[in-house]
Amino acid sequence: KAGVTQTPRYLIKTRGQQVTLSCSPISGHRSVSWYQQTPGQGLQFLFEYFSETQRNKGNFPGRFSGRQFSNSRSEMNVSTLELGDSALYLCASSLAALAGTDTQYFGPGTRLTVL
Amino acid sequence: DAKTTQPPSMDCAEGRAANLPCNHSTISGNEYVYWYRQIHSQGPQYIIHGLKNNETNEMASLIITEDRKSSTLILPHATLRDTAVYYCISGGATNKLIFGTGTLLAVQP
Repeated sequence: KAGVTQTPRYLIKTRGQQVTLSCSPISGHRSVSWYQQTPGQGLQFLFEYFSETQRNKGNFPGRFSGRQFSNSRSEMNVSTLELGDSALYLCASSLAALAGTDTQYFGPGTRLTVL
Repeated sequence: DAKTTQPPSMDCAEGRAANLPCNHSTISGNEYVYWYRQIHSQGPQYIIHGLKNNETNEMASLIITEDRKSSTLILPHATLRDTAVYYCISGGATNKLIFGTGTLLAVQP
């Protein structure tokens, strides 16, 4: 089975722009979660989608949003980019309909640099 | 805040067993213990998880104390490629994984 894929792998944007990142989960997985990793804050949960609905949300401002499509692929969007948004953005997928009972598998991440 | 506590770093000689401890004294009855590792700038890799019983797979063994307040991840024969940050996470009700700072395991030749 193919693993979780994320595109693009690297991205450079300037302050004030917006960006969209894409995640394709493992085939058959219906839950997709997004995480942000920075040197200062470590790995932090952004949000989770299951069956096209946001099921859980972390403590991030409204500039961070996401969605999930009927094929379980997910996108996250960051509007009005700030320098502090520079980070590795990770996507994870899991099979379980019942949250918390199954293993999450991570993709390689998208490295976003904001100049 | 993370619900687990791990030492910030550990060393291990190549070929020896690496024993990584984790304290999760506030874990509740239905929460699992998960272990992931992250090699520099890559996505975290799932290693193993357990609820009450000890678990073993092709990568590692997980020993959970009877009171479930702590656990140990064992890599039986560490190699240089096992050098990574290892995260111990407790969770159960949601898919929201709360990562701590993890343990940087350095395998020495």
